[in-house]
Amino acid sequence: NAGVTQTPKFRILKIGQSMTLQCTQDMNHNYMYWYRQDPGMGLKLIYYSVGAGITDKGEVPNGYNVSRSTTEDFPLRLELAAPSQTSVYFCASSYFPGAKNIQYFGAGTRLSVL
Amino acid sequence: DAKTTQPNSMESNEEEPVHLPCNHSTISGTDYIHWYRQLPSQGPEYVIHGLTSNVNNRMASLAIAEDRKSSTLILHRATLRDAAVYYCILNAGGTSYGKLTFGQGTILTVHP
Repeated sequence: NAGVTQTPKFRILKIGQSMTLQCTQDMNHNYMYWYRQDPGMGLKLIYYSVGAGITDKGEVPNGYNVSRSTTEDFPLRLELAAPSQTSVYFCASSYFPGAKNIQYFGAGTRLSVL
Repeated sequence: DAKTTQPNSMESNEEEPVHLPCNHSTISGTDYIHWYRQLPSQGPEYVIHGLTSNVNNRMASLAIAEDRKSSTLILHRATLRDAAVYYCILNAGGTSYGKLTFGQGTILTVHP
């Protein structure tokens, strides 16, 4: 029962490097989300997607890009890594939106930019 | 977005009940109250949600005040595995994508 799978679990980047955080879900959910969590803080929404080919910005999109070519996958791209992007990144998915929406989260990717 | 207020931390003993409070005085009529928890080094995990009536599931109970300005998550018998950060979140539903706004939550410590 995989649910939401994120890779890698850990990564260290140098300033200016690029990387893609992978997220895949096997629940056939239309809605997918990327959050970041800084130490001691709650999660902040970076980007979300309501279906294949449709994405939109959340609260903190600067420095990130996303794409959604399939229902299952929602990768997050960092183009020019900066120390401010040191954080734990969580991907989530849900079956439908709205007030009853239950989101299922991956285990996270811990990223350090040095 | 309507805001929630939770205590920064709470402590409990194993096998005792835990009542985690949440204030949401600006809640609107269509906001659902959701609770998630985050175990150490893991992603958040859904616990329970409700609108007006009290709710029970296998993990916990949710007691909602009659005026809906506060709610309480009840863990009936705390275990060491329940040690986590608990987030009380208002889900407006009016948005098209079900955004969840996480505050800092309540850190629950369970003593053996």
